[in-house]
Amino acid sequence: QSALTQPASVSGSPGQSITISCTGTSSDIGSYSFVSWYQQHPGKAPKLLIYEVTKRPSGVSNRFSGSKSGNTASLTISGLQAEDEADYYCCSYARSSNLVCGGGTNLAVL
Amino acid sequence: QVQLQESGPGLVKPSETLSLTCTVSGDFISSGTYYWSWIRQPAGKGLEWIGRIYTSGKTNYSPSLKSRVTISVDTSKNQFSLNLSSVTAADTAVYYCARLSTDWSCDFWGQGTLVTVSS
Repeated sequence: QSALTQPASVSGSPGQSITISCTGTSSDIGSYSFVSWYQQHPGKAPKLLIYEVTKRPSGVSNRFSGSKSGNTASLTISGLQAEDEADYYCCSYARSSNLVCGGGTNLAVL
Repeated sequence: QVQLQESGPGLVKPSETLSLTCTVSGDFISSGTYYWSWIRQPAGKGLEWIGRIYTSGKTNYSPSLKSRVTISVDTSKNQFSLNLSSVTAADTAVYYCARLSTDWSCDFWGQGTLVTVSS
């Protein structure tokens, strides 16, 4: 069982916006601004989308955005495209130099 | 461009030690700018952080695996390695090495290597 809780699946139509939640505790998401999000296509390594809750690495589309409220972080994808169909994972720093991650959310673009 | 490549046996027997090596190119572990990390992913499941190492050899491990994990570094070869002892079928997973920033995000990943624990 993963430390962070994500919905197993979400779906949306092309052009729409979706939000994926990631719920932790006061020992991880609630206490630190070190939340990252990853996109993973089948058979591929994860790709960093968001770091430090809201920041995007160079080259990542501004259609991806992150936020946090309390013990829950969120990833929003706007203007859904077929290529966004993938699994998405959140991770957060936890106390005592530990990193915890979620079980992943499968995004279907219908 | 930073690249990481995992190598090691794809099959390990129960109770034995899983050993993997990650070779880094396009960056130098000895630069001291980043930590270097191992993460695993059982089939159909989420990411599990295993641990990290700094150029000095300083390590941090996941509490759930700490008793069985050793991560080491060889800066002369620009490599770092993972040893996981007393493996069981539950350790079967794709193992990734990655570059870990000070903000605890992994910005570069290896392609991953599947390790199966079976007799």
